[in-house]
Amino acid sequence: NAGVMQNPRHLVRRRGQEARLRCSPMKGHSHVYWYRQLPEEGLKFMVYLQKENIIDESGMPKERFSAEFPKEGPSILRIQQVVRGDSAAYFCASSPRTPARDTQYFGPGTRLTVL
Amino acid sequence: QKEVEQNSGPLSVPEGAIASLNCTYSDRGSQSFFWYRQYSGKSPELIMFIYSNGDKEDGRFTAQLNKASQYVSLLIRDSQPSDSATYLCATPGGAQKLVFGQGTRLTINP
Repeated sequence: NAGVMQNPRHLVRRRGQEARLRCSPMKGHSHVYWYRQLPEEGLKFMVYLQKENIIDESGMPKERFSAEFPKEGPSILRIQQVVRGDSAAYFCASSPRTPARDTQYFGPGTRLTVL
Repeated sequence: QKEVEQNSGPLSVPEGAIASLNCTYSDRGSQSFFWYRQYSGKSPELIMFIYSNGDKEDGRFTAQLNKASQYVSLLIRDSQPSDSATYLCATPGGAQKLVFGQGTRLTINP
């Protein structure tokens, strides 16, 4: 029973490039969440998606960041024109229902380094 | 805006002793709480969740919830060096997301 999968595990980009992070939820899970963890800090919520819908993007920066969860395929977190401050670990989590009723399971994360 | 507070540590405990990790929260309406363990460079791993006032035990781990005082704690009995990690407390912030504390770094000294 595969867990949450994320790729790539490590991503290096130069300032101004685009970063695409992918997340495949656990089988049977239809809720996907993205979190960001800056060095030496806790996890901060970014966005919550269900298939083809963004439900809550209150934690997403207003510019350069976008997320999708298409009908087919993984969820994608896209960061355009990356800057050094985007360097962080980005974790995806999934749950079968909303977290108030169920737990979230985290993927291994993508560690983004912006040079 | 819900807030979850943890002492960032580091907390050092000798091997075999009880490690006590604490978390306070701001929203009196919070109903459920989760403890995650995160090893350095790894992803958070769920170890306990608690919904009801009182204690919940799972092996060497005990979660305690006191809604009147708005705190949650995690006790680790017979601490092992492998328990050295950062422990994150979280609660749902509305139905859509988890609100995390900043984490407590625990070191078990052999």
